[in-house]
Amino acid sequence: QKEVEQDPGPLSVPEGAIVSLNCTYSNSAFQYFMWYRQYSRKGPELLMYTYSSGNKEDGRFTAQVDKSSKYISLFIRDSQPSDSATYLCAMSGGYDTGNQFYFGTGTSLTVIP
Amino acid sequence: KAGVTQTPRYLIKTRGQQVTLSCSPISGHRSVSWYQQTPGQGLQFLFEYFSETQRNKGNFPGRFSGRQFSNSRSEMNVSTLELGDSALYLCASSWFSGGGIEFFGPGTRLTVL
Repeated sequence: QKEVEQDPGPLSVPEGAIVSLNCTYSNSAFQYFMWYRQYSRKGPELLMYTYSSGNKEDGRFTAQVDKSSKYISLFIRDSQPSDSATYLCAMSGGYDTGNQFYFGTGTSLTVIP
Repeated sequence: KAGVTQTPRYLIKTRGQQVTLSCSPISGHRSVSWYQQTPGQGLQFLFEYFSETQRNKGNFPGRFSGRQFSNSRSEMNVSTLELGDSALYLCASSWFSGGGIEFFGPGTRLTVL
């Protein structure tokens, strides 16, 4: 079983739709949870991060962490064509998780004008 | 605050050659990780350096090596290049080894002919 599972999509939505991206994980020691956005042929850009459980909102983006279910989500409201990218989830936990960052495989999102 | 920088941004090499990639982390970050990203495999962890010591290594052959200098700048070397080494090589930095939040550079796109 992979440490982090992410549905690769592709996901295609009309402009203005609410997008839900999700990842599940197996190691309860993860403490930091991140979402990255990656445009084609560019490096991943940190979009949101959350420490431990809870919600975090930044503009049109909301990150949720449910540690009891080992499940994290990223919601994009009023999606725009410029949101078309691959979204990667990532998590870390320092020594308790082998001093490594663990990434999902990425979900490809296309927002259709 | 300047982000993670990588040089060069693009490289074209032929099989059998060697290549050195450079990464400058965000000021104050002591951990530098390297990843290989290909369309079919996603993000693959190469190795991580913290305070000039390799702390973690992924499942790559010995042709892939790295080092970190006292100013936290890092280099990655690939010897005896193979066609399959064509990829986007990403450097990421963080304050802690495998903990906290990781920030990526723009990547070096390596093409092996």
